[in-house]
Amino acid sequence: ELKVEQNPLFLSMQEGKNYTIYCNYSTTSDRLYWYRQDPGKSLESLFVLLSNGAVKQEGRLMASLDTKARLSTLHITAAVHDLSATYFCAVTASGTYKYIFGTGTRLKVLA
Amino acid sequence: GAGVSQSPSNKVTEKGKDVELRCDPISGHTALYWYRQRLGQGLEFLIYFQGNSAPDKSGLPSDRFSAERTGESVSTLTIQRTQQEDSAVYLCASSPGQGSQPQHFGDGTRLSIL
Repeated sequence: ELKVEQNPLFLSMQEGKNYTIYCNYSTTSDRLYWYRQDPGKSLESLFVLLSNGAVKQEGRLMASLDTKARLSTLHITAAVHDLSATYFCAVTASGTYKYIFGTGTRLKVLA
Repeated sequence: GAGVSQSPSNKVTEKGKDVELRCDPISGHTALYWYRQRLGQGLEFLIYFQGNSAPDKSGLPSDRFSAERTGESVSTLTIQRTQQEDSAVYLCASSPGQGSQPQHFGDGTRLSIL
């Protein structure tokens, strides 16, 4: 059974600092996604990572994928308050379109 | 419509009543998903429809939960004899069911069981 774990679950950081969120998954997957959820809102797609070594960047967020380690990272550079949200990774088992979500990381950026 | 549409946006009902939640996916999306999100928690997979294939119901928590989908359009999630632990936000998502495009989520139905 495919399982997805994220850490940390909660992250409080100062503006201007850097940090990394980790997403581990248990079995082979051919697609990994990162989503953002603001309080009381639905999920918004951030990145799609498809191959080993893939790296995507948007503003202060950069996501990478290591399929051999079954690990994805979401790196935050020089955090700003607007990045405060919950971030989820999701993985599809090989050959399927069933998405399994991680536990989520609740990020709070302090001014 | 342009996005995934869910209704109602909020539903308050008494314990023991049945509820029906509706999801209208993006036109052309063959895959449709239901998730449950309890307050402050992650997304719990419930059920997944892909085209005309048999749905993957492996996430439905009990036989009080059922879902149907008409072709590749509207889906309804039904919860019978609701319990207080059913209180949650129920999210629907759709995707093309091929390629690598991400899921698109609706705004959810917030269900409160009194």
